[in-house]
Amino acid sequence: GNSVTQMEGPVTLSEEAFLTINCTYTATGYPSLFWYVQYPGEGLQLLLKATKADDKGSNKGFEATYRKETTSFHLEKGSVQVSDSAVYFCALSDQGSARQLTFGSGTQLTVLP
Amino acid sequence: NAGVTQTPKFQVLKTGQSMTLQCAQDMNHNSMYWYRQDPGMGLRLIYYSASEGTTDKGEVPNGYNVSRLNKREFSLRLESAAPSQTSVYFCASSVTTTGGRETQYFGPGTRLLVL
Repeated sequence: GNSVTQMEGPVTLSEEAFLTINCTYTATGYPSLFWYVQYPGEGLQLLLKATKADDKGSNKGFEATYRKETTSFHLEKGSVQVSDSAVYFCALSDQGSARQLTFGSGTQLTVLP
Repeated sequence: NAGVTQTPKFQVLKTGQSMTLQCAQDMNHNSMYWYRQDPGMGLRLIYYSASEGTTDKGEVPNGYNVSRLNKREFSLRLESAAPSQTSVYFCASSVTTTGGRETQYFGPGTRLLVL
């Protein structure tokens, strides 16, 4: 079956530091890949996505590249801000009829001023 | 355009009580989903509905029932709540984008505590 593995948190960085959150996946076929963000007390928001190999998703300074050869979709940001503090979830969906999302366990990011 | 809305925001139940969590979307999406979120486990799919009138089990359906009342609304019912059902519940809906790749949009969640 499908699975998503994220680096364990929590991750604590100083403002303006470089961020990488690792995500690798196992899936049959060619899944779509997503990063969702959950701010404290809120629901999940789609941060970015990629639907095929070598696609780069980007939003709000965050980027992730769909790497089929390494089955990875690592999230990066060049300079984090305090407002980026949140939980980040990597997820995939396959093209099966269920269209289900499979989530990683989430990575808590705290950015200190 | 409110997106996906959920009620209630927070609920406390005693073991054995029943309740229904409500979800509605105004984006004209065909598919709707119920997830639960537990610490360190990400989100797990309880039930989903690919279209009005159809529902299917997800990864963790035991102890739950769902109703797709119409295209907008998808409710989740706990007939006899158990402490193991203490969780945060998220509803989502999705539209099929180009190439058949669906993006899901989430509601704000319902925090449920079962004593």
